[in-house]
Amino acid sequence: DARVTQTPRDKVTEMGQEVTMRCQPILGHNTVFWYRQTMMQGLELLAYFRNRAPLDDSGMPKDRFSAEMPDATLATLKIQPSEPRDSAVYFCASGPGGGRAWDTQYFGPGTRLTVL
Amino acid sequence: AQKITQTQPGMFVQEKEAVTLDCTYDTSDQSYGLFWYKQPSSGEMIFLIYQGSYDEQNATEGRYSLNFQKARKSANLVISASQLGDSAMYFCAMRERNFGNEKLTFGTGTRLTIIP
Repeated sequence: DARVTQTPRDKVTEMGQEVTMRCQPILGHNTVFWYRQTMMQGLELLAYFRNRAPLDDSGMPKDRFSAEMPDATLATLKIQPSEPRDSAVYFCASGPGGGRAWDTQYFGPGTRLTVL
Repeated sequence: AQKITQTQPGMFVQEKEAVTLDCTYDTSDQSYGLFWYKQPSSGEMIFLIYQGSYDEQNATEGRYSLNFQKARKSANLVISASQLGDSAMYFCAMRERNFGNEKLTFGTGTRLTIIP
């Protein structure tokens, strides 16, 4: 049963600390997405990659957030320095990346981040 | 203007009854995809069903069906014979255009509670 995996599942940190979230997409999927879910903003796209190249990171605060795909099996989202307003659930999703309207995105279990 | 509108913040439905969750969308594209996801209390996002803008028949997946009315720009999710395990948040999402834009835009969700 192919699934997107994310680590850690929960992270509590103090303001100013660096946070790194990791995602392993479904094998064979070549698009990877990072979403953030908050009560106020709902689900919003932060960034996405196709074939490891960043295609859209317009939803991401550039001064503190960075997203990378070191290889096809690993995507990372870093926040440095973290702030209390970054507290949210961060989802990674992957898709087959054919560019077709019907390509479904499959979500990981999410990382619940709390910044104190 | 909101691209995806879910007007029902919460719904209570008796077990075994059918339930319809509303979703309207706004797009000027001719080619787009509509998706429904379920988010139980555990937090993961589970893909339920997809409808393409050119699909002539309504999508069905087991107890889930999508009532697609293109002229009205609505894509309502119908769950037949509801079960206690259907209690969750449900999100409608849209993807516009083939090729290049793979971003999903989500609605604010509907919290469905099934009453025994």
